[in-house]
Amino acid sequence: IAGITQAPTSQILAAGRRMTLRCTQDMRHNAMYWYRQDLGLGLRLIHYSNTAGTTGKGEVPDGYSVSRANTDDFPLTLASAVPSQTSVYFCASSPEDSSNQPQHFGDGTRLSIL
Amino acid sequence: DQQVKQNSPSLSVQEGRISILNCDYTNSMFDYFLWYKKYPAEGPTFLISISSIKDKNEDGRFTVFLNKSAKHLSLHIVPSQPGDSAVYFCAARPSGANSKLTFGKGITLSVRP
Repeated sequence: IAGITQAPTSQILAAGRRMTLRCTQDMRHNAMYWYRQDLGLGLRLIHYSNTAGTTGKGEVPDGYSVSRANTDDFPLTLASAVPSQTSVYFCASSPEDSSNQPQHFGDGTRLSIL
Repeated sequence: DQQVKQNSPSLSVQEGRISILNCDYTNSMFDYFLWYKKYPAEGPTFLISISSIKDKNEDGRFTVFLNKSAKHLSLHIVPSQPGDSAVYFCAARPSGANSKLTFGKGITLSVRP
């Protein structure tokens, strides 16, 4: 079934450790996004990529980095995790980064930083 | 400063009745609006959208109304079903290249059998 796959589903991580959240899509979408969802705050954009080889900063990019080496994969890295990065992380994609194309979401990674 | 506001955190409705979920926005540059539905342990799924050139868009039991002068939109679900119980996010974006979605905080809808 076509869609977005995120891994891991959940993770408990010690503060200071490095962590990469994986995201793969098989829809050949050009645009991909990473969001975090926190209680009472909705979904906030961390980083995005309009096409392979390009990335951009969203609303809350500090402490996170991304890369887009190819169309299908868009990993999110926490170089040195901190407890405030405890959240549920969603990867999303859309055919193009334009106003009339809804984004498709993965099922999320629940990350706890201790 | 929250540009997309869903001021009611929750709504409870009897099965078969109408559910009305409200959303307000402050950015007058927003011209495309979407509703997403989210079940626990799943990602949000796209439900319905509306462009600013319209004031209504209907898809089956779901209708979205847009009042640009009031910067207000609402999602109507009729008749409501227990399977509609979920968190609903309102989202908006301005036109133009490189514009991004801004999401509201979400509202939890519970449909009682």
